[in-house]
Amino acid sequence: AQTVTQSQPEMSVQEAETVTLSCTYDTSESDYYLFWYKQPPSRQMILVIRQEAYKQQNATENRFSVNFQKAAKSFSLKISDSQLGDAAMYFCAYRYTNAGKSTFGDGTTLTVKP
Amino acid sequence: DAGITQSPRYKITETGRQVTLMCHQTWSHSYMFWYRQDLGHGLRLIYYSAAADITDKGEVPDGYVVSRSKTENFPLTLESATRSQTSVYFCASSGGRIGNSPLHFGNGTRLTVT
Repeated sequence: AQTVTQSQPEMSVQEAETVTLSCTYDTSESDYYLFWYKQPPSRQMILVIRQEAYKQQNATENRFSVNFQKAAKSFSLKISDSQLGDAAMYFCAYRYTNAGKSTFGDGTTLTVKP
Repeated sequence: DAGITQSPRYKITETGRQVTLMCHQTWSHSYMFWYRQDLGHGLRLIYYSAAADITDKGEVPDGYVVSRSKTENFPLTLESATRSQTSVYFCASSGGRIGNSPLHFGNGTRLTVT
């Protein structure tokens, strides 16, 4: 069974600084997708970024980028120029290409200090 | 408006009562999911559905029942609620190519079992 581990229950960052959230996963599959979701205090789950495992290039969405290390099964999220609105819980998720379900990590709560 | 809606947003019920959480999506997504979110456990999959009349168990299905007679609806029923089922419940859907498609979440239902 696939597992996703987020080893940092809580992280904090100063406004305008950069922070990296860690995620590792375990799978025997070679073709899959990885996602980062954000959950602000409103409880709404929002897609931040996605990465296809067959792509070596790291995904980027504005201030958000990932460091995808397939051999190490690592998928970290980097947030640059952190803003107060980035404060949220962040979830890493894995989805096998031919399966419907996703597996989530336990989440990392990010605090942004003004 | 297009999207995925859950109802109710908050629910308090007593131990032993049956309660149904509703989920409706307007995208005609083939996949739908029910997750529960508890402190320290991230999101855990209860049940999912690949299409109308096709459902499958997730990680924590005991005590829950689902049905999917129509593509757009995926209700979750707690047959006899227990205190351990106090949680926040999220419905989600996804469409398109299976693995690549992110999950689209509803706003969640906070269920309290007294």
